[in-house]
Amino acid sequence: AQSVSQHNHHVILSEAASLELGCNYSYGGTVNLFWYVQYPGQHLQLLLKYFSGDPLVKGIKGFEAEFIKSKFSFNLRKPSVQWSDTAEYFCALRAGGFKTIFGAGTRLFVKA
Amino acid sequence: DAMVIQNPRYQVTQFGKPVTLSCSQTLNHNVMYWYQQKSSQAPKLLFHYYDKDFNNEADTPDNFQSRRPNTSFCFLDIRSPGLGDAAMYLCATSRATTDQETQYFGPGTRLLVL
Repeated sequence: AQSVSQHNHHVILSEAASLELGCNYSYGGTVNLFWYVQYPGQHLQLLLKYFSGDPLVKGIKGFEAEFIKSKFSFNLRKPSVQWSDTAEYFCALRAGGFKTIFGAGTRLFVKA
Repeated sequence: DAMVIQNPRYQVTQFGKPVTLSCSQTLNHNVMYWYQQKSSQAPKLLFHYYDKDFNNEADTPDNFQSRRPNTSFCFLDIRSPGLGDAAMYLCATSRATTDQETQYFGPGTRLLVL
């Protein structure tokens, strides 16, 4: 069965700390992977996506993610977080056709 | 600005009383989706429309129906809401050119069932 696991439900960091949010997936086919972000009071929006090619994908606001096929992982990273990165982050897998499977989300709180 | 709009943002209904949530889009996307998101859980796809073609997920309860009268609008009907249907309902759209298309989400409607 297809699934997406996000290991950390809550993360608290101080400004300038480095961030890595874990995401593992289970799917036997070709993967299309996404990270979406939801800032407080706003709607879900795309942060970055991977379909093929370079496994290191860069997104908006200095975020990047690395697809490691052997580990079934697509971890999100940012070298130095800001207070404005406080949000909920969702990893998602496009499981063929139009179905997207989301992880349960990780709530990041950045202390100023 | 092109966007996905959901109305109302908050909806309170009574147990068993039918309720309709609405979604509209100005993006002219041909795919529209409805997700259910319960507290601290992942958004779960209920169904989607590709143009006028309706695609129901296998585990979506029969209590949930949808209508898409035109490209811009899509409705979620809950025929007899139960307490377990209290959740955030998210509408999203995408173009259908390839699997790579990003989904654009509305702000969601939070449903409370009394």
